[in-house]
Amino acid sequence: QVQLVQSGAEVKRPGSSVKVSCRASGDIHSSYGVSWVRQAPGQGLEWLGGIIPQFGIPNYAQSFRGRVTITADRSTNTVYLEMSSLRSEDTAVYYCARDRYGGNSGGYYYYNMDVWGKGSTVNVSS
Amino acid sequence: QSVLTQPPSASGTPGQRVTISCSGSGSNIAVPSNTVQWYQQVPGTAPKLLIYFDDQRPSGVPDRFSGSKSGASASLAISGLQSADEAYYYCAAWDDSLNGRVFGGGTKLTVL
Repeated sequence: QVQLVQSGAEVKRPGSSVKVSCRASGDIHSSYGVSWVRQAPGQGLEWLGGIIPQFGIPNYAQSFRGRVTITADRSTNTVYLEMSSLRSEDTAVYYCARDRYGGNSGGYYYYNMDVWGKGSTVNVSS
Repeated sequence: QSVLTQPPSASGTPGQRVTISCSGSGSNIAVPSNTVQWYQQVPGTAPKLLIYFDDQRPSGVPDRFSGSKSGASASLAISGLQSADEAYYYCAAWDDSLNGRVFGGGTKLTVL
């Protein structure tokens, strides 16, 4: 069973950027992408976006387009989430998850997050 | 404000059956190909996949958990309630209008 190992906690100033990593212990099967989900303190889950590593094609939630970049390095089985223009409301635990996808080059969708990382805490504070 | 609507709380006694609802719309749950997932989260831990494809359980998930979908709504039923079931439960589905995955606000299940 593949495991997802995330990078450690980060403390950032408002206006700065953060880059969080998610390394798979083995190869993520070609049927899977990787999604990022965050959870602010005391709040629910929020999907930021995902990527299909074998194609390198990202898909972003509407709220985060232009501020979030998701990339994949197939040589190291690592997926990255970079968020810019950080504000205090971005303080949260950021999870990566293996995610089944469907669709085609005209558009992909995700539908099954079955393996999760333990989460990376990002604290945005002045 | 979450795109999918769940009750904020639910409760039951050990052995009881509880149901948690998830209400969506014509751009998400009501689309047959936009299947519903349910995730269980114990505070302080990562979410865990409980139900996928509306009503399928991953291996290792007890058959006490079941999912269903009808029109623009979905439900999670838990029978034979146990204290270990005390957690938050989230529904999720793809939304064609937003071109992204959407979640419900989560339901806190308390076992009395």
